[in-house]
Amino acid sequence: QVTLKESGPGMLQPSQTLSLTCTFSGTSLSTSNMGLSWLRQPSGKGLEWLASIWNNDNYYNPSLRSRLTISKETSKNQVLLKFTSMEPADTATYYCSTSGWFAYWGQGTLVTVSS
Amino acid sequence: DIQMTQSPASLSASPEEIVTITCQASQDIGNWLAWYQQKPGKSPQLLIYSATSLADGIPSRFSGSRSGTQYSLKISRLQVEDTGIYYCLQRYSNPLTFGSGTKLEIK
Repeated sequence: QVTLKESGPGMLQPSQTLSLTCTFSGTSLSTSNMGLSWLRQPSGKGLEWLASIWNNDNYYNPSLRSRLTISKETSKNQVLLKFTSMEPADTATYYCSTSGWFAYWGQGTLVTVSS
Repeated sequence: DIQMTQSPASLSASPEEIVTITCQASQDIGNWLAWYQQKPGKSPQLLIYSATSLADGIPSRFSGSRSGTQYSLKISRLQVEDTGIYYCLQRYSNPLTFGSGTKLEIK
């Protein structure tokens, strides 16, 4: 049983950098074809894929590439996301999910960007 | 970017009815398509992957099909618990893109 849980600051001010952590269990990033992804969803709106880490390769949504960094701490079963220059428009629930078909999801963490 | 045009935006149906939701891809994506259900306040749940394969634990009332670049999700024998928003996803190419969602209400 794969479980994932996102953690983050909850609220931050415009121009700050968002740091999110996805802590997972029931699998390992050392496993072949195992990866994790970050997605987000503004309240009442649709889903947007942000970035994935898979088989030691990183993949980013080109529209946000300059602001995103995804990384992993394999020994801690964690995947991290850094998102720079946050704006109020980046206010959303941020999810981590297993890469591929997004078969497993965390509960999401709400991030509010406001001064 | 590949655009996924999803329709309808919303629909209302009665229990035991059959409903169909479609996604039109802006180019060939093969079978690199999935369907998700999202209930209010919850994370999305994978229903269908590879256009037609049923995800683990999903009732057989849910089925997916493909005709060229048009993909459909059919829900047979609607149940009250099928209420939610349904999304398609293409993972053929970067950036992965979702349809805009279909809000399903059970009368």
